[in-house]
Amino acid sequence: AQTVTQSQPEMSVQEAETVTLSCTYDTSESDYYLFWYKQPPSRQMILVIRQEAYKQQNATENRFSVNFQKAAKSFSLKISDSQLGDAAMYFCAYLIKAAGNKLTFGGGTRVLVKP
Amino acid sequence: KAGVTQTPRYLIKTRGQQVTLSCSPISGHRSVSWYQQTPGQGLQFLFEYFSETQRNKGNFPGRFSGRQFSNSRSEMNVSTLELGDSALYLCASSLDPNSGNTIYFGEGSWLTVV
Repeated sequence: AQTVTQSQPEMSVQEAETVTLSCTYDTSESDYYLFWYKQPPSRQMILVIRQEAYKQQNATENRFSVNFQKAAKSFSLKISDSQLGDAAMYFCAYLIKAAGNKLTFGGGTRVLVKP
Repeated sequence: KAGVTQTPRYLIKTRGQQVTLSCSPISGHRSVSWYQQTPGQGLQFLFEYFSETQRNKGNFPGRFSGRQFSNSRSEMNVSTLELGDSALYLCASSLDPNSGNTIYFGEGSWLTVV
């Protein structure tokens, strides 16, 4: 079965500090994409960052960066200089290119930001 | 450019009834997919439509169905509602499948079954 595991149900970070969210996935496919989505209390899913599996370079988007370890099937998200607006649920997901736009999500990690 | 629009945003239905949820994708997007989000099961893929054809279906009973119109707007229908169907239903759109293009989500439709 293809799965995504987020082992940290909740993470707390002080404002301006850094937090890292872990994600591991399991797929036998070789051509896929990985994503981190943020879901604030409004419940709208917002794309944070996207990584193409065939690219070795880790994706970066402003204060958000990933550590993609393909062999280990690991895709962690680092939030630097955390801000109060970063408080939300974060979901890791993958998409198998040949399977269309079907995202498989992890269970999510709640991020709390302390002022 | 307008985002993914879902209607209605909130609704309450009685067990045994049916419900139809609507989704208008971002202009130019032709792929629409639906997800169910519950506290117990998390985010689960329901189905994906492209060019009015269902391309993918998740592991849900036949009570869950959908369709896509020629203007790419999509509807999903749940018949014979059960208490367990209470959930946030999220619609997402993308330019097309098989491209890895960014998938954008709507704000969801909250369904409560009583």
